[in-house]
Amino acid sequence: DQQVKQNSPSLSVQEGRISILNCDYTNSMFDYFLWYKKYPAEGPTFLISISSIKDKNEDGRFTVFLNKSAKHLSLHIVPSQPGDSAVYFCAASRNSGGYQKVTFGTGTKLQVIP
Amino acid sequence: GAVVSQHPSWVICKSGTSVKIECRSLDFQATTMFWYRQFPKQSLMLMATSNEGSKATYEQGVEKDKFLINHASLTLSTLTVTSAHPEDSSFYICSASLILAGHNEQFFGPGTRLTVL
Repeated sequence: DQQVKQNSPSLSVQEGRISILNCDYTNSMFDYFLWYKKYPAEGPTFLISISSIKDKNEDGRFTVFLNKSAKHLSLHIVPSQPGDSAVYFCAASRNSGGYQKVTFGTGTKLQVIP
Repeated sequence: GAVVSQHPSWVICKSGTSVKIECRSLDFQATTMFWYRQFPKQSLMLMATSNEGSKATYEQGVEKDKFLINHASLTLSTLTVTSAHPEDSSFYICSASLILAGHNEQFFGPGTRLTVL
């Protein structure tokens, strides 16, 4: 049961344009959502997060949008840069036994073309 | 700050041997650490939650006798893959939990690539 889904396994975008990565979730108990960037053979690096009580969070070139009614979130990167090329994981967390249990999506490989 | 290290970064072993992977929080104390496993082109799957001074909590389908977890201090958790077999070959990633801005954030280690021959 994949509770966090990223339906696009890959995305190619021209440098300077906007990259939009999408994520859907099914568990309404999730209260915090995160995006991670990952290079091959490395651990994920935290990018940006959003609480379920908000619908938008912006940090520099990265903006995350949350639509709770649709159980959908997206990550916008603008302008996209070649260094942004990586696999992006959407993740959702909920409190479980006193800690935040994180569930990851399957990832979207972003390629930014110079 | 909030750096997590893993050792070794990669290991190759023979089938039937045991392998220990260390996860350390370098500049903070972590009561809770997590162990994940990632197969090629797949998501990170949570294997277990490691709590300092107590038994680990394993996710459904993860054999606790196969994957031994010890969280002996606030900065170190170890994962031992016992009697490893080729199907255990995978990328193992740990994370450590730290409260930032009132929220429990997870910081990930660089991962350990295990290949069982």
